[in-house]
This record gives sequence, C-alpha cells and structure tokens, in this order.
Amino acid sequence: ETGVTQTPRHLVMGMTNKKSLKCEQHLGHNAMYWYKQSAKKPLELMFVYSLEERVENNSVPSRFSPECPNSSHLFLHLHTLQPEDSALYLCASSQDPLTGGFNEQFFGPGTRLTVL
Amino acid sequence: DQQVKQNSPSLSVQEGRISILNCDYTNSMFDYFLWYKKYPAEGPTFLISISSIKDKNEDGRFTVFLNKSAKHLSLHIVPSQPGDSAVYFCAAYSGSARQLTFGSGTQLTVLP
Repeated sequence: ETGVTQTPRHLVMGMTNKKSLKCEQHLGHNAMYWYKQSAKKPLELMFVYSLEERVENNSVPSRFSPECPNSSHLFLHLHTLQPEDSALYLCASSQDPLTGGFNEQFFGPGTRLTVL
Repeated sequence: DQQVKQNSPSLSVQEGRISILNCDYTNSMFDYFLWYKKYPAEGPTFLISISSIKDKNEDGRFTVFLNKSAKHLSLHIVPSQPGDSAVYFCAAYSGSARQLTFGSGTQLTVLP
C-alpha cells in the first residue's frame, strides 16, 4: 500500500450504532488529520494529531472520538450519530514542520458515511 | 463566516483554452495558499502552492497568481485538457494555527 488509505470506503449506519473509521499513512509523516466534507461545503477540519498528540479539536461534537495509537494510524470512532452527520470523511497526513514553514497534506480517498 | 471563498461553483471551458479559477480570502495572516484537485471517489491531491511573499508561481500548465492587496488568488490552466475536469479547492495555510482552511470548491469541466 502506498500513500494514505482509508477503510471502509462506504458506511451506512443507524443512529444507535457504533462504528469506527480507519486511516493509515505509508508516507512516514508525523501529523494526521480528519476532515468532514458535506455537499457543496468546504472541507471542515475536525481533528489534528502531531506526533500522536491531539493538537486541535475544532469544536467537534463528542459523538466523534478520534484515536491516534501511532504516527501511521488514525481512527475516528462514531456513536449515536445524527442524519446530518452524513458526509465524506477524509483523512490526511503531512510532515509537521513544528517550527514553522509548510508541508502539503496528502489525502486518502475518504469514507462516504450515511446515517439513517 | 468563511475565511476562504470560491464564489463560482462551476466553470466550463473549451479544450485548449485557458481556465481561470478564482478564490478570495479574508485573513491577511495566511502564510501559504494552495490549490487541490479532486476527482470523484478520490481524495484531494495537491496541485500547486504559493507563499504569501510571492505573487506568482508556475508549474507547467498551471500558474497561481496572488494579489495580496485584493486578498485574491487565481489558478490559470493553459491549455486546458479534458483530463483537467475535476473539482478544484483553494486552501490557505496559517503557520501560527498550523491549519489549512478550504474553500467550497469549483467544478471545472473541460469540453472536448
């Protein structure tokens, strides 16, 4: 596998279900991100992990719970979601410069989530 | 309120002509600006970037122009090819926040 992979690619769940999205990066990066893309809206940054520590949580409801066990893997645990949470969830990784500068983010293909 | 705006949801261009995609921003503290391209069923892929201290960056058929006084950037694709048909996202990076802020995207269709 190369680049950034995400599983599953599609997920349909009920509001009472618990599920997890998985992301894996094979690029040797030290930062990983979760984004949400709803129809006709900008990508919204949800969570940022740098060196496996969460450095950003953009006011995301607690029904979304991230986990970053190591620099290559990122999970998004989902429970009691609402229909308005239906969206494309994208994972990305980058080399966090830590001391300034910028390195572009590489995205996975996304998980298309539908909440019934 | 959106800090990065792409006011044109779609654009159609004839093959061989120039495509111009526009983006406006409100935060004068952004350090870098980027363009990403997204095909259906794939994640966005990085296309080209420009530092806030530059006004132009060119890479093959793609050129990004930055007008800081107008808080405006644009992506020029010339000549346009049918394979360029995709959604193009403008994004801005803040070094202090270490975050990318995206626009809502423009669907480019290049007609053969």
